[in-house]
Amino acid sequence: NAGVTQTPKFQVLKTGQSMTLQCAQDMNHEYMSWYRQDPGMGLRLIHYSVGAGITDQGEVPNGYNVSRSTTEDFPLRLLSAAPSQTSVYFCASRKTGNTEAFFGQGTRLTVV
Amino acid sequence: AQRVTQPEKLLSVFKGAPVELKCNYSYSGSPELFWYVQYSRQRLQLLLRHISRESIKGFTADLNKGETSFHLKKPFAQEEDSAMYYCATGDSWGKLQFGAGTQVVVTP
Repeated sequence: NAGVTQTPKFQVLKTGQSMTLQCAQDMNHEYMSWYRQDPGMGLRLIHYSVGAGITDQGEVPNGYNVSRSTTEDFPLRLLSAAPSQTSVYFCASRKTGNTEAFFGQGTRLTVV
Repeated sequence: AQRVTQPEKLLSVFKGAPVELKCNYSYSGSPELFWYVQYSRQRLQLLLRHISRESIKGFTADLNKGETSFHLKKPFAQEEDSAMYYCATGDSWGKLQFGAGTQVVVTP
């Protein structure tokens, strides 16, 4: 049972480059989300999805795009990386309702 | 809008001492409340949720709707409790709102 899998674990980008962080879950969860974790700010919601074909913005969506073509996958795209996007990114999935969220192991991104 | 406040960024306690992590929330409606924990170099995981009223690893949390609080407590801290703790509210769609987190350091 793989749970939530994120790739890559580490990434260094130059300012202006684009890239996609991958997230996959095998638990048939409806809800998937992306967070960024920064010191002193906790986890802030970037984008989320309540099911395939449905996405919405979270608290800090600027500079990021998402899509949800399947239940399993929820990639996060950085359009033009900026140093302010240096962070640790977590993907999570959850069944709708009062249920436990399962997190990926995180992607540590550095933009230079 | 949901908001979660964890006023302590860092909590340093001695082994065997009680520990209490504060969490206050603002939420319209009936909230789902959770505590998540992140041990060093591990992914976030659920510690406990208010609806199950359970004790996990000696931790308990009581929901006080009047004070809109969900403080996490443990009577005797252990070194393995050193971690980052996040309080979170959830809505019926699955969206979680996290607090800023409290780093707990338990010293021998």
